[in-house]
Amino acid sequence: DQQVKQNSPSLSVQEGRISILNCDYTNSMFDYFLWYKKYPAEGPTFLISISSIKDKNEDGRFTVFLNKSAKHLSLHIVPSQPGDSAVYFCAASEVGGNKLVFGAGTILRVKS
Amino acid sequence: DAGVIQSPRHEVTEMGQEVTLRCKPISGHDYLFWYRQTMMRGLELLIYFNNNVPIDDSGMPEDRFSAKMPNASFSTLKIQPSEPRDSAVYFCASGGSRGSKNIQYFGAGTRLSVL
Repeated sequence: DQQVKQNSPSLSVQEGRISILNCDYTNSMFDYFLWYKKYPAEGPTFLISISSIKDKNEDGRFTVFLNKSAKHLSLHIVPSQPGDSAVYFCAASEVGGNKLVFGAGTILRVKS
Repeated sequence: DAGVIQSPRHEVTEMGQEVTLRCKPISGHDYLFWYRQTMMRGLELLIYFNNNVPIDDSGMPEDRFSAKMPNASFSTLKIQPSEPRDSAVYFCASGGSRGSKNIQYFGAGTRLSVL
């Protein structure tokens, strides 16, 4: 049972345009959400997070939106750069929990 | 800080052999996590420790897998005997409990190939 789903295995975007990566979850107990970025032969690195008490969090070119009623979150990258090409993982944790549940990841390719 | 350090980076072994993966967490972090990444199952949590004590090992696939954390700066994941289906990338991650908001910091991983 996949509690965190990233339904798009891959996404291709032109440099300078917006990248939108989507994530859906099924567990109503999730209250904290994170995005990680992973380059080949490296471990995932933390990118940005959002608490369930917010609906938006912004950090430079990266913005995460949370729609609790739809159990959906998205990561926006504006403008996209070739260096953003990587695998992006959505992750979630429960109230008071320490475990992260990860989605399957979305491969982003930014073309120059 | 050097970050989470895993060794070896690559391991090639034959079926039936014992494999030991090592992890040094970030100093001051009191949570340590072991993950396995495969094409089929993605990134799955195997076990995690808090203050060196195993808290949840429900993700450990079989008795062939074991993990220890003898002190705050070292953990091992052992597979004995290894099988070809254990081939995967194994990640170790650490995190703090105060103000960390569940952010985990990952090592570079160990790519295991069991022939």
